[in-house]
This record gives sequence, C-alpha cells and structure tokens, in this order.
Amino acid sequence: DAKTTQPPSMDCAEGRAANLPCNHSTISGNEYVYWYRQIHSQGPQYIIHGLKNNETNEMASLIITEDRKSSTLILPHATLRDTAVYYCIARSGNYGQNFVFGPGTRLSVLP
Amino acid sequence: GAVVSQHPSWVICKSGTSVKIECRSLDFQATTMFWYRQFPKQSLMLMATSNEGSKATYEQGVEKDKFLINHASLTLSTLTVTSAHPEDSSFYICSAPGGGAYSGANVLTFGAGSRLTVL
Repeated sequence: DAKTTQPPSMDCAEGRAANLPCNHSTISGNEYVYWYRQIHSQGPQYIIHGLKNNETNEMASLIITEDRKSSTLILPHATLRDTAVYYCIARSGNYGQNFVFGPGTRLSVLP
Repeated sequence: GAVVSQHPSWVICKSGTSVKIECRSLDFQATTMFWYRQFPKQSLMLMATSNEGSKATYEQGVEKDKFLINHASLTLSTLTVTSAHPEDSSFYICSAPGGGAYSGANVLTFGAGSRLTVL
C-alpha cells in the first residue's frame, strides 16, 4: 500500500466547507484512494473512494489530482457531528486486503 | 447498506479471565474478516486476518495463543482474549470486505468496536 500523509489536525467553522488534503505520491496504478472517518469511541465509517475520477456521494466529494499524487476530501457544509478523525488510505481494490491506518487528520468543527 | 455487528460493545473483566468478542456480517457473507486494536489516542493496528474454514493469520508481535480467532461461518468471526491482563485493555474493532451498495468487495465495513477493560 502506498504511504499517505495528512495534516494532524484542522479546524473548520460550522456550515463552511471542510477541505481535507492527503498526499499519496507513491500511489500505484491499481490503488484506490479511500476515506474513512472515526468519531470518538466508534468504529471507522466509510465515506468515499475513487481511482482516477472525482467522486461525489451524499456525504462528501473526493477530488483526485490528475497525476493521482494527492487528493482532497470535501465536506461541503460541515456540522458539529462531522468532528472526527479522518483517514486517507491508498490500497488496491483486491478482495480480502486489509487497510493500513495512519494517524489521520483530526477535524474539529467549531460553532 | 452493509452492516457489521460487534458484541459486546463494552466489557469489564478480571485479570486472568477470558473474554470473547463476536463479529457478524448481517446482510452479506465474508470469507475474510479483519481484527484491529486501538489504544487511546492511537490509530488502528491490524492484529489478525480471520479466514473462514482455515487458520487466522496474525500480524508480527501478536500472540496467537493469547488472541484466539475462530471464523466458524461466512457471517461470524470471534476473537477470544485469553487470560486477559490490564495491558490487554483496548478498543477492538472488526471489519469485513464487501457488502452494501459500494463497488463490490473493494470497501471494508467496520463494526462499532468493543471496549475491553481488564481490572
């Protein structure tokens, strides 16, 4: 799995967009970018994943640079409930392969 | 969507006793499940990979005789912490690949976790 680098912490005002960056400069062609988040004392929650194209779902948008060396997770209108640790993971899409979690980014949404 | 259920969500036990944690995939089958451990203020660390019908694969440094894993069916994996000690107190989380409306087996679904406190 490619190593990912994320800022340790970020703040965001409630109602504003939260943009969480992730660097994965050594990502290989068959590796997806996955984003999960972990709210205190809960298991990680899937947010979104993508390979090359930008992706959007009801939770967030994922913007992947053309060279795929970095990506940004966008929470369009952050709420207090979005306060969590966000993990960016680069991994192949093979069934049965585990995820390797880094320290992630602790996002604090402020009122 | 896919759901992975863990039970119990929290447990307190005395030192020297054994504790079993169950992990179930509720609406999909999983031939593989993963067990993670998370200490306070740290990230998740993979402990072992549970394989239905065969032995689990343990990560380096994880004692297989202490953390017994049984994957008895396509929807159930169990982790038993044997002779628990206070240093085994942690947050244990299981996950399973696949299920739900995601792109097939490319996504892991995680359980809510089980917090173990050993007195």
